[in-house]
Amino acid sequence: QVTLKESGPALVKPTETLTLTCTVSGFSLSDIRMGVTWIRQPPGKALEWLAHTFSTDEKSYSPSLKNRLSVSKDASKSQVVLTMTNVDPVDTATYYCARIIHFSDSSAYYHYYDYWGQGTLVAVSS
Amino acid sequence: QSVLTQPPSASGTPGQRVTISCSGSSSNIGSYLLNWYQQLPGAAPKLLIYSNIQRPAGVPDRFSGSKSGTSGSLAISGLQSEDEADYFCAAWDDSLNGPVFGGGTKLTVL
Repeated sequence: QVTLKESGPALVKPTETLTLTCTVSGFSLSDIRMGVTWIRQPPGKALEWLAHTFSTDEKSYSPSLKNRLSVSKDASKSQVVLTMTNVDPVDTATYYCARIIHFSDSSAYYHYYDYWGQGTLVAVSS
Repeated sequence: QSVLTQPPSASGTPGQRVTISCSGSSSNIGSYLLNWYQQLPGAAPKLLIYSNIQRPAGVPDRFSGSKSGTSGSLAISGLQSEDEADYFCAAWDDSLNGPVFGGGTKLTVL
């Protein structure tokens, strides 16, 4: 049974650093064709991709947030950590982690999220 | 403003067929596979359709996806009250070197 669970502070102050942890079970962070992504959703708004890490240790970040984000993983603990520096009230959102399935064949590149965590709501306020 | 364009709302009565569109460009939908996610009220998103037309195990065949050129659509037939949710499309994007999402469509079952 695949599960992902986000954890972290519910409230952070502007300019502080936000650290979120995604703990996974039912699969390994080393499994080929898999990875973990971070996506957020401000209240009442759309989903926004933040960053992801693959089993190959390849990492990628949203260009608009690249300077503020860092993602790391600890396979022994089955955890992926997202760090966001210098938070602002506009960063208030529900933050989700999800499992990525990604691979290429002769015809296409496949990239989709088949399991999601429940999400954690983070408010940025003084 | 989202990279992929969806209508903000859609509606239908029980039993009806509803379609939700998703429009992009050559750097995303035109070159890559389209995925759809369903988000029930107060819940996390759930994979509904992947690789344009594939349904994960457990997703009813009332849900179907299609793609043509730089646009795609999600069709829901035999609409049920439990289908009331937000629906998001997503695809890989060359310009971003990452995934892009639509703004979401809120489906109301009248």
